[in-house]
Amino acid sequence: DADVTQTPRNRITKTGKRIMLECSQTKGHDRMYWYRQDPGLGLRLIYYSFDVKDINKGEISDGYSVSRQAQAKFSLSLESAIPNQTALYFCATSDYRDRETQYFGPGTRLLVL
Amino acid sequence: AQSVTQPDIHITVSEGASLELRCNYSYGATPYLFWYVQSPGQGLQLLLKYFSGDTLVQGIKGFEAEFKRSQSSFNLRKPSVHWSDAAEYFCAVRPGITGGGNKLTFGTGTQLKVEL
Repeated sequence: DADVTQTPRNRITKTGKRIMLECSQTKGHDRMYWYRQDPGLGLRLIYYSFDVKDINKGEISDGYSVSRQAQAKFSLSLESAIPNQTALYFCATSDYRDRETQYFGPGTRLLVL
Repeated sequence: AQSVTQPDIHITVSEGASLELRCNYSYGATPYLFWYVQSPGQGLQLLLKYFSGDTLVQGIKGFEAEFKRSQSSFNLRKPSVHWSDAAEYFCAVRPGITGGGNKLTFGTGTQLKVEL
């Protein structure tokens, strides 16, 4: 079984809809991250969390929110989806004992019509 | 703020040929440097990382990278490419021990195609 899982793997939604992307990990890591990937732009950090009660904005947090429901779960929400949020979204985790190494999930491909 | 440049968007090599993917970074102090690989339909996998010490680091799958402070570079190399190496490669940087948390800054990626 994968250590970092993301659901759904693919999602099509319409402009204005609220959607949630979920990330779960079985690695026991304390730190979790959400990135989006766009062609030609690489990965950009949306939000990150170092603990259940810790939430931090990344470089492109506008239009997104997150929830760290438990150490193993980190959800990303688009409150009112817009077409330029069409992208590939990755969740990642890291451990405080090896903070520099991040482990990525398989990604969620989102299309906003 | 730190930044990463990968000048080559696409590279094509023949199987068995050597490979070098370029990465240049901009940061005031010595950063932590990483190379990740993304195979089609997969998440990113860490190939190797540099924090300090020996400037030539070995990674998985036969890859290595050399940190050159004078050139602000961290180029990825492999002596003999295999068809399974076809993927997208990302260089990333984060601040070193001076702070900045765990925030990685990624380059825009280099797509590697391997000709048989």
